[in-house]
Amino acid sequence: GENVEQHPSTLSVQEGDSAVIKCTYSDSASNYFPWYKQELGKRPQLIIDIRSNVGEKKDQRIAVTLNKTAKHFSLHITETQPEDSAVYFCAASITNTDKLIFGTGTRLQVFP
Amino acid sequence: GAVVSQHPSRVICKSGTSVKIECRSLDFQATTMFWYRQFPKQSLMLMATSNEGSKATYEQGVEKDKFLINHASLTLSTLTVTSAHPEDSSFYICSASGTGNTIYFGEGSWLTVV
Repeated sequence: GENVEQHPSTLSVQEGDSAVIKCTYSDSASNYFPWYKQELGKRPQLIIDIRSNVGEKKDQRIAVTLNKTAKHFSLHITETQPEDSAVYFCAASITNTDKLIFGTGTRLQVFP
Repeated sequence: GAVVSQHPSRVICKSGTSVKIECRSLDFQATTMFWYRQFPKQSLMLMATSNEGSKATYEQGVEKDKFLINHASLTLSTLTVTSAHPEDSSFYICSASGTGNTIYFGEGSWLTVV
């Protein structure tokens, strides 16, 4: 089955700096790769997603890149703000309506 | 937008008892729902796929007789934790696919077994 690895597990940055989180997956059949932000004790919030027919997608300060050949994808957050502090999860799925296999999570701390 | 609701949000039960968690799609029909478990400071782990009108599909290592899943209607899936033990204490969260082929998560349910 699918296995998703995520690095780093913790990331501390200064406000205004960029943050990058990387994930690798094992199942070449996966075609949908969402990123979630989760506050403690709350449901995951989708922040951006990418499908396998696209190499990069950007939404304001957030971007995701996908290298399907190497089976890895990354989340890039620019101009980080303290409110970006949270736990971020990558995930992989066959389709955008299928079960999600989550990465291990990254705790991002943005210091003012 | 599509909403998925879970109930209860928090529940405390005694060891050995059973507890039921409901997951409802409020404004769309969901033939498939998914149940995840999340221990503190860990990731969301897929437990099972809930299929309306048929048996759930469990992930490897998840005991189907302990975690009973019933998906009796197109808007409701239930997860029953049977013979609960303290190690079952966790955050349980469901998801379903709604309009626009988007995955929606419930609010999650905190289970504490004492």
